[in-house]
Amino acid sequence: NAGVTQTPKFQVLKTGQSMTLQCAQDMNHNSMYWYRQDPGMGLRLIYYSASEGTTDKGEVPNGYNVSRLNKREFSLRLESAAPSQTSVYFCASNRPGGPRNSPLHFGNGTRLTVT
Amino acid sequence: AQTVTQSQPEMSVQEAETVTLSCTYDTSESDYYLFWYKQPPSRQMILVIRQEAYKQQNATENRFSVNFQKAAKSFSLKISDSQLGDAAMYFCAYRSMKTSYDKVIFGPGTSLSVIP
Repeated sequence: NAGVTQTPKFQVLKTGQSMTLQCAQDMNHNSMYWYRQDPGMGLRLIYYSASEGTTDKGEVPNGYNVSRLNKREFSLRLESAAPSQTSVYFCASNRPGGPRNSPLHFGNGTRLTVT
Repeated sequence: AQTVTQSQPEMSVQEAETVTLSCTYDTSESDYYLFWYKQPPSRQMILVIRQEAYKQQNATENRFSVNFQKAAKSFSLKISDSQLGDAAMYFCAYRSMKTSYDKVIFGPGTSLSVIP
C-alpha cells in the first residue's frame, strides 16, 4: 500500500543543472499535482494534471515543465535550476470519481537545494 | 482567483488547553470544500478535518472542530485538550467544486507549539 511515492528525497544542484523529480501513485487516481513549499508561503501549486494526457499551470509554473507519462506517473522537470527554486516539493494525487471533498494524498516531499 | 489567508504565523498553547487557528478565504463561488491539514516535523501532510460549504453543521473529528462562517468566509480550527503530538504546521485549504477547476489552494500556514 505505497500510496504516493516521490524520488529523490533530497537533491543538491548547481545553478544551471537540470533534473527530474519523479512521482508515482498506485491508487488509480486521475488527478495529480506538484506543489512547492516555502517558509511563510504555504504550498503553492506549480502544475496539475486532471487526467492522463492533460496538464495545466498552477500559481508558479515558470521554470518548470511536467509530463503526465501515464495514469500513475507525473514528473516535474527543472531544465536550468536557479537558487530561487530551492524549496521542498510535494507531489499529490486525488481519488477519481469520488466525492469532490476527497482529500489530497501526498508524497513525502523532495528537499531541493540549488547553489 | 481564490485565495486563502492564515493571519497567525505562529501560535502556542499549554498542554490540555484549547487553541483556535484562524483561516479566511476569498471566493466568488457558492459551493466549495475546505480542509485543514497538519504537517509535523516529519514533513508528512495529514488531513485533519474537512467541511462542505453547503453544510451548515460544523465538522468535528474527535478533539478537532471547525467554526465555519460562510458569509464571513471564515473557517477556523479549534483543537481541544491539546497534546504534545499536536505540535505542527497547520494549513487551511480550499477546493472548488467546479469539475473544470481541479485545484486545491493552500494558506501560508500556522506553526503551533504545545507547551508541556
